[in-house]
Amino acid sequence: EAEVAQSPRYKITEKSQAVAFWCDPISGHATLYWYRQILGQGPELLVQFQDESVVDDSQLPKDRFSAERLKGVDSTLKIQPAELGDSAMYLCASSLNRGRTEAFFGQGTRLTVV
Amino acid sequence: LAKTTQPISMDSYEGQEVNITCSHNNIATNDYITWYQQFPSQGPRFIIQGYKTKVTNEVASLFIPADRKSSTLSLPRVSLSDTAVYYCLVGPSNSGYALNFGKGTSLLVTP
Repeated sequence: EAEVAQSPRYKITEKSQAVAFWCDPISGHATLYWYRQILGQGPELLVQFQDESVVDDSQLPKDRFSAERLKGVDSTLKIQPAELGDSAMYLCASSLNRGRTEAFFGQGTRLTVV
Repeated sequence: LAKTTQPISMDSYEGQEVNITCSHNNIATNDYITWYQQFPSQGPRFIIQGYKTKVTNEVASLFIPADRKSSTLSLPRVSLSDTAVYYCLVGPSNSGYALNFGKGTSLLVTP
């Protein structure tokens, strides 16, 4: 069964350092999402791509976060500089298109900023 | 976007049917109702989606009354492995299948 791949699974970084997460969506999925999930809360949408274009990044803290999906396939989410409050699970999801199709989530990257 | 309200937590015994209700009073005409399940340290997993009346799949049933201001996810004969957080999402299908999660309902199933 096809899966959304994310790496790394776990990341510990010091505050003020840069950190990057990678996501490879299911082949053929045009829509890609990045979410942040703080312990005990629901996932919060950071950015949504349709192919290589950003559809929604209204919740992305653009002073320190950036996301790209250059060829409309895999994607990278970067934080620079990391802050203690960025400690969370970062989830990537993909769906076939922007219609009402189900989204498939990866296992996530657990980030700890120390 | 329609706001959703769910119970924060629910408890059940194994073998019982569990019904989780979600309120979405300001649901729009083109909104669909979708439920996701999330286990600890994993990403959410799609369970079921519906627009009106009743939808059933191999995992759950979704009941939506005529006014669509609420919906009920029904899990038949739950097992310990159904312990998870369940999220109700309401979103328009024509603007990118909005995936806005609330706090969800934490279901605990005990023997």
